[in-house]
Amino acid sequence: KQEVTQIPAALSVPEGENLVLNCSFTDSAIYNLQWFRQDPGKGLTSLLLIQSSQREQTSGRLNASLDKSSGRSTLYIAASQPGDSATYLCAANNFNKFYFGSGTKLNVKP
Amino acid sequence: GAVVSQHPSRVICKSGTSVKIECRSLDFQATTMFWYRQFPKKSLMLMATSNEGSKATYEQGVEKDKFLINHASLTLSTLTVTSAHPEDSSFYICSALTGNHGYTFGSGTRLTVV
Repeated sequence: KQEVTQIPAALSVPEGENLVLNCSFTDSAIYNLQWFRQDPGKGLTSLLLIQSSQREQTSGRLNASLDKSSGRSTLYIAASQPGDSATYLCAANNFNKFYFGSGTKLNVKP
Repeated sequence: GAVVSQHPSRVICKSGTSVKIECRSLDFQATTMFWYRQFPKKSLMLMATSNEGSKATYEQGVEKDKFLINHASLTLSTLTVTSAHPEDSSFYICSALTGNHGYTFGSGTRLTVV
């Protein structure tokens, strides 16, 4: 069974810092990997989707990379802002089943 | 973009009653929808896969008689929590497969059973 781990569990940084969130998965036979943002008490907002054949995806200040062979993905956030504060979840898609990590709770201090 | 509407966003019910949660795809047809449950400070756990016109496929450990899933049309899937108990209190989220766009998630339903 796929297991997804996210490190760190929580992160607090001053505004303006560049930061990296890590996601690892045990089964490399993924269809794709997706990064989400979840605000407290809210649903999920999709940030980036990386297909298994891709190495990275970029959207604005966000860049996600994927290394299937090593079972790793990273989410890079440039020039962090207080509005980026949320929980970030990665999810590995195996045969149309999503396996989620437990998330990284990010706090960007003004 | 693909939008999934989930209702209600919050519901409080008494123990022993049933609660229905709806998940609608607004601008696309979703032959497959998924239901997740999120415990406090935990990640999302897949409960079941809902296919239009057929029975849902439940994950191991999920009681299908307690969590009834109906996917009667290409735009609507419902999750009914039957005979709810306080331990069923949780955050429930649906999602729909949107082809190359991956998965779109609903905004979630906070269920509190008192």
